[in-house]
Amino acid sequence: KQEVTQIPAALSVPEGENLVLNCSFTDSAIYNLQWFRQDPGKGLTSLLLIQSSQREQTSGRLNASLDKSSGRSTLYIAASQPGDSATYLCAVLDYKLSFGAGTTVTVRA
Amino acid sequence: DGGITQSPKYLFRKEGQNVTLSCEQNLNHDAMYWYRQDPGQGLRLIYYSQIVNDFQKGDIAEGYSVSREKKESFPLTVTSAQKNPTAFYLCASSADRQTNYGYTFGSGTRLTVV
Repeated sequence: KQEVTQIPAALSVPEGENLVLNCSFTDSAIYNLQWFRQDPGKGLTSLLLIQSSQREQTSGRLNASLDKSSGRSTLYIAASQPGDSATYLCAVLDYKLSFGAGTTVTVRA
Repeated sequence: DGGITQSPKYLFRKEGQNVTLSCEQNLNHDAMYWYRQDPGQGLRLIYYSQIVNDFQKGDIAEGYSVSREKKESFPLTVTSAQKNPTAFYLCASSADRQTNYGYTFGSGTRLTVV
């Protein structure tokens, strides 16, 4: 059974600092890994999708890496802004999509 | 714009009552999913459907039922057999289960037992 872990559970940083969010998974036989953002009381917004054959994906200030052999992914957010405050969820797809519990980020102005 | 529409946004259920959550997509996706989200936990899969008129139980299907009569629609019924239904419910879709394009989620329905 796939287990997905996100550390830390919560993170508070001053505006402008770079954010590093970690995701680990137990079974490396995955199709892809997807990072989502969730604002309070809202649905999930897809940020980045990394296929199993890829090492990283980038979109604007966001960069996600994937090391399938070690079962790890890292989401980097450069030059954080208060608008980046949200919960970030990592999900891996094997026979189903399995989620971590998320990292709640607060960016202080 | 293509997307997933969930309704209602908030739903209140009395003890012993069945309620139905709506999920509609216009993405022409074959696969649709229902997840439940509780505070501090990851999303858990309730039911999924890969094709019209076919659906499969997920990890926590007890007390729930679904139908897939149309490609665009995948309603979830929370029955009186579900002992602790208060949660945030999310509907999702994908082009297929082993998708190269990822999953798309709706905005969710918050269900509260009163």
